[in-house]
Amino acid sequence: LAKTTQPISMDSYEGQEVNITCSHNNIATNDYITWYQQFPSQGPRFIIQGYKTKVTNEVASLFIPADRKSSTLSLPRVSLSDTAVYYCLVGDRYSSASKIIFGSGTRLSIRP
Amino acid sequence: IAGITQAPTSQILAAGRRMTLRCTQDMRHNAMYWYRQDLGLGLRLIHYSNTAGTTGKGEVPDGYSVSRANTDDFPLTLASAVPSQTSVYFCASSDGENEQFFGPGTRLTVL
Repeated sequence: LAKTTQPISMDSYEGQEVNITCSHNNIATNDYITWYQQFPSQGPRFIIQGYKTKVTNEVASLFIPADRKSSTLSLPRVSLSDTAVYYCLVGDRYSSASKIIFGSGTRLSIRP
Repeated sequence: IAGITQAPTSQILAAGRRMTLRCTQDMRHNAMYWYRQDLGLGLRLIHYSNTAGTTGKGEVPDGYSVSRANTDDFPLTLASAVPSQTSVYFCASSDGENEQFFGPGTRLTVL
């Protein structure tokens, strides 16, 4: 199982770009990298998924270097509503759920 | 479209009692999951089901059982609740390609 390591917490200010890096040194060839966001008292919500290079959607960008041993979630121009816990997951896109592990995540706090 | 619903929203339960947490999805997803999330921590997988009629154990299955009689429903049962099972329980489903859709959670307190 590919284990991930993320910072426990990060702080930023409204309007800034926030980059959260996740380390996954043991990522396997078939593994994808997925990020979730969780607000207090809610279930996690899918943000973005990628395999290599760069993926962008309306919410975030995901940067994955060539060796795939890390990834960076980039949130452009954050607002107070982006305060949440962000989880990085690594797993085979088509494997059993038992291979998917949520770590403790990164608690992002956005200040005015 | 409701997505995933869970019931009850919250429950206070005496130790030793039996409790079933309900989860229903209307997205016709094959895979469903149960997680627990303790205060300030990440999610831990309890049980999962890749398709109706099959189930599997996750990271913390002891004290819990599940069944998957059909595609839509995936109940989680605590046969004899203990205080260490006090947690928030999330049900999720997916079409098998890693994006999981989560329910609103059930907050369970075992006294």
